[in-house]
Amino acid sequence: AQSVAQPEDQVNVAEGNPLTVKCTYSVSGNPYLFWYVQYPNRGLQFLLKYITGDNLVKGSYGFEAEFNKSQTSFHLKKPSALVSDSALYFCAVRDEDNYGQNFVFGPGTRLSVLP
Amino acid sequence: KAGVTQTPRYLIKTRGQQVTLSCSPISGHRSVSWYQQTPGQGLQFLFEYFSETQRNKGNFPGRFSGRQFSNSRSEMNVSTLELGDSALYLCASRRASGTGVGSGNTIYFGEGSWLTVV
Repeated sequence: AQSVAQPEDQVNVAEGNPLTVKCTYSVSGNPYLFWYVQYPNRGLQFLLKYITGDNLVKGSYGFEAEFNKSQTSFHLKKPSALVSDSALYFCAVRDEDNYGQNFVFGPGTRLSVLP
Repeated sequence: KAGVTQTPRYLIKTRGQQVTLSCSPISGHRSVSWYQQTPGQGLQFLFEYFSETQRNKGNFPGRFSGRQFSNSRSEMNVSTLELGDSALYLCASRRASGTGVGSGNTIYFGEGSWLTVV
């Protein structure tokens, strides 16, 4: 069965500093990996995804993520955090080899960027 | 291009009542899935529909049901509401085919329907 872990409930970072939100996954086949962001009282917005190819994926709002197969990780990063990046971030995985499986989301990590 | 549209955005129901939530996917998207989001349980998958057929179902009681119409619009229904059903219900759509191609296609979410059961 596929699963996603986000080991940190909360991440605090000062504005202008780099940020990392961690995600590890487990699938039996090749993973499709996604990051979404949720602002208060809103739905989830797509940030980026890894399907195949370069391990470093660039997405919206200056975010990027690095796929590491050996560590089964897909950490979200941004070189310089903004206060407006404060939100709830979800990592999700889908197993390429099990099309019948749905997307599995992690529990979410709340990012607070302090001015 | 319009995004995923969910109605109503907010509603309050009484225990024992039923509720129907509606979702219109992005034009051209044939797969619609539903999720329940609560502070305690996070995002939980309810079901996914493609071409009017339920493809996947999460671990929810039979009080939760859904359907999809020929225009890909979807509805979900919760009968005999309980206090614990209070949640944000999210609909998501993606471009998909019946052959399995497009497993990596992104799902796009609507703004959600906030249900409060009193």
